[in-house]
Amino acid sequence: RKEVEQDPGPFNVPEGATVAFNCTYSNSASQSFFWYRQDCRKEPKLLMSVYSSGNEDGRFTAQLNRASQYISLLIRDSKLSDSATYLCVVNGDNYGQNFVFGPGTRLSVLP
Amino acid sequence: NAGVMQNPRHLVRRRGQEARLRCSPMKGHSHVYWYRQLPEEGLKFMVYLQKENIIDESGMPKERFSAEFPKEGPSILRIQQVVRGDSAAYFCASSRGGQGNQPQHFGDGTRLSIL
Repeated sequence: RKEVEQDPGPFNVPEGATVAFNCTYSNSASQSFFWYRQDCRKEPKLLMSVYSSGNEDGRFTAQLNRASQYISLLIRDSKLSDSATYLCVVNGDNYGQNFVFGPGTRLSVLP
Repeated sequence: NAGVMQNPRHLVRRRGQEARLRCSPMKGHSHVYWYRQLPEEGLKFMVYLQKENIIDESGMPKERFSAEFPKEGPSILRIQQVVRGDSAAYFCASSRGGQGNQPQHFGDGTRLSIL
């Protein structure tokens, strides 16, 4: 089983739609979680950290379920500019920076 | 620009030559990470460095690849005797500390092409 798994997509949604991405991780000792976005041929950019109680940043909501080893990202009111690949990132080591990137889920928001 | 700076943006080398990729971390960051990304694939961790120390090089091939982060100057990823399979985007990231909850911030990457 891969350390971090994501549905590769692509997810093709119309503008204004709500879309959710899921991510599962295998290391139960993982402590820190993030969502990054990566545009085509560009560098990954931090979208948001994921906190145990769940957190929201504007149209974006992240959830963590430690028992199921599952992270989600919800995007409401999708914009064309949300089109990108969304990377789930898990830090497998609480004392270091053992970041493991998922393969990413591609999102295309259509006009 | 106080972000992570990588250069060159694009690098072309012939098989057998050496490639040197440079990375200057964000101001205030002392931890540097190198990743490789092949076309249509995810990011693969290569090496994690602090000033003058390699902390984790478990993702770096044992041969031809080396990395350093000297006391002064940028971090360098060096690939000797390059082969076609080395063609990829190489991203550098930095973080403020080594704690697991510190996010990493990425540079624009170096696109390495091997002829």
